[in-house]
Amino acid sequence: NAGVTQTPKFQVLKTGQSMTLQCAQDMNHNSMYWYRQDPGMGLRLIYYSASEGTTDKGEVPNGYNVSRLNKREFSLRLESAAPSQTSVYFCASSEVLGLFYGYTFGSGTRLTVV
Amino acid sequence: QQQVKQSPQSLIVQKGGISIINCAYENTAFDYFPWYQQFPGKGPALLIAIRPDVSEKKEGRFTISFNKSAKQFSLHIMDSQPGDSATYFCAASGSGGTSYGKLTFGQGTILTVHP
Repeated sequence: NAGVTQTPKFQVLKTGQSMTLQCAQDMNHNSMYWYRQDPGMGLRLIYYSASEGTTDKGEVPNGYNVSRLNKREFSLRLESAAPSQTSVYFCASSEVLGLFYGYTFGSGTRLTVV
Repeated sequence: QQQVKQSPQSLIVQKGGISIINCAYENTAFDYFPWYQQFPGKGPALLIAIRPDVSEKKEGRFTISFNKSAKQFSLHIMDSQPGDSATYFCAASGSGGTSYGKLTFGQGTILTVHP
């Protein structure tokens, strides 16, 4: 009953470095999401994947790319990290886009870009 | 553009008191309004949700009140307990258009319940 697993939990990057945040869910959910959480801003949607093989931009996609590797896994890549990308990143999944039995969130990745 | 505005940013309540958090939305296409609870170091977890065909929903000590004409909804926590201390997020989503299936979150409220 792992739910949504995110790795790593913490990461420090230098400006310009790249990295990939990993997310995997074991609930057989079709839809997956990446959010970032910043103080006073709530959670903002970066990218989402309605189903395996599809991805779409959310509210704040600039500087990020995603890959829906298979039904279980949805990764977020920062090609050239910037200090403005310092944030806590959450991956979430839901059974079907628009069918609300609730999102299940991972425990987050705290990223600092120096 | 913040489509869901949440207040207050922080709230301190005594044990046994009532905690009230308010949210206002702009997008009339929104038709699903959940509240999420987040403890430090954890991801948000669904607490309670409402659709606009009802004006109130209660689950234990937690109640959502919904005012469709004012485009506002609120969370009431009755008999607040120290264990309720957490960050609370309201959210909204729609069944059509650009908001379809995607949650838009408020800014969050840090609730502290003193013993």
